[in-house]
Amino acid sequence: GQQLNQSPQSMFIQEGEDVSMNCTSSSIFNTWLWYKQDPGEGPVLLIALYKAGELTSNGRLTAQFGITRKDSFLNISASIPSDVGIYFCAGPSPGGGSEKLVFGKGTKLTVNP
Amino acid sequence: GAGVSQTPSNKVTEKGKYVELRCDPISGHTALYWYRQSLGQGPEFLIYFQGTGAADDSGLPNDRFFAVRPEGSVSTLKIQRTERGDSAVYLCASSWGIYNEQFFGPGTRLTVL
Repeated sequence: GQQLNQSPQSMFIQEGEDVSMNCTSSSIFNTWLWYKQDPGEGPVLLIALYKAGELTSNGRLTAQFGITRKDSFLNISASIPSDVGIYFCAGPSPGGGSEKLVFGKGTKLTVNP
Repeated sequence: GAGVSQTPSNKVTEKGKYVELRCDPISGHTALYWYRQSLGQGPEFLIYFQGTGAADDSGLPNDRFFAVRPEGSVSTLKIQRTERGDSAVYLCASSWGIYNEQFFGPGTRLTVL
């Protein structure tokens, strides 16, 4: 099936540091979504991107829709302990309709206070 | 409640048994989705409903899996003759329509012994 490749798999950072993670695909996506999942919870949508080249911010989070439409990036500035969790990129399955989301394997973020 | 709720939160069963997992979507949401999340992976699409009908069940792994939504609100995912490989977190999500943000529940952790 369709795969989204996320990197890095995990990150260990100090509080206050900036974080960058990315997601790539072999197929073109028309929408890129970034979710965060806390232990024992479902994913929560952080940012949605709908246009190639789009740069969108949500507080300390900034995400970009790659111009090739095959990648996306998420940056977190000035990390804090509550940023800990697993971050997933996702998008509607190419050719499958907007209702079927495909997810990457996630980037696990650990923030040391 | 305000969000998607799922019951039970945890289910332990023996190989070969039948299980039912319940999802209560956000009130008024017409679309409902089921995903399965294995350890260390992102959620994988199983099935989605628009109203009472299963609009796309292409993600169901085999005919042991079945889901219903008889009144267009609550949904039940049913798994017959459970196998150890069925062990995972089963996530439910709902949205106003199929092109809108999907809100996830906390999931049901299924363990098949």
